[in-house]
Amino acid sequence: DGGITQSPKYLFRKEGQNVTLSCEQNLNHDAMYWYRQDPGQGLRLIYYSQIVNDFQKGDIAEGYSVSREKKESFPLTVTSAQKNPTAFYLCASTGSMENEQFFGPGTRLTVL
Amino acid sequence: GQSLEQPSEVTAVEGAIVQINCTYQTSGFYGLSWYQQHDGGAPTFLSYNALDGLEETGRFSSFLSRSDSYGYLLLQELQMKDSASYFCAVRDRWGGGGSYIPTFGRGTSLIVHP
Repeated sequence: DGGITQSPKYLFRKEGQNVTLSCEQNLNHDAMYWYRQDPGQGLRLIYYSQIVNDFQKGDIAEGYSVSREKKESFPLTVTSAQKNPTAFYLCASTGSMENEQFFGPGTRLTVL
Repeated sequence: GQSLEQPSEVTAVEGAIVQINCTYQTSGFYGLSWYQQHDGGAPTFLSYNALDGLEETGRFSSFLSRSDSYGYLLLQELQMKDSASYFCAVRDRWGGGGSYIPTFGRGTSLIVHP
């Protein structure tokens, strides 16, 4: 079955540590996205990538970094520079000229 | 800046019809989408409107008026499983490479009572 996987589902880290969230898709989509969702809030765009080896900052990129070395993979690193990293992180992808964004199950990150 | 407004919460009873409104102010507009998200889950796509008018998909319909910067999602024959958050999202930026960048609203929590 085609889809997007994110791991792990729950992640706990100590303050000051960098952490990398995994996102893999087998939908053959070119575009991939990372969103952050806080309780009672909408989805805010962190980074997006339209093609391998290229990515762009979204609306709240500070304290985050990404890479896109393979079409299938778009990992997100939450660095110690992110002031309030506890949140639900969602990865998404979309095919060229398609209307729908497909979302992964999300990773809930808690920084202690 | 970009802004999307939708009610924070809507309640209704099983079998009823409910309408969730979305008004937007964005610098660009390429279309309006709706997504459903159950607690702790991933958003799933419901509908998309690029042109004015009504799009119907089963029990769900979505409407767009570009001149009014307004759209709505209509849910008919409500079921308990429809209890979820509903997000409108405006495609307001072109990301290049054939894909748009959406801006999401804060979401409307729909509570369906028996």
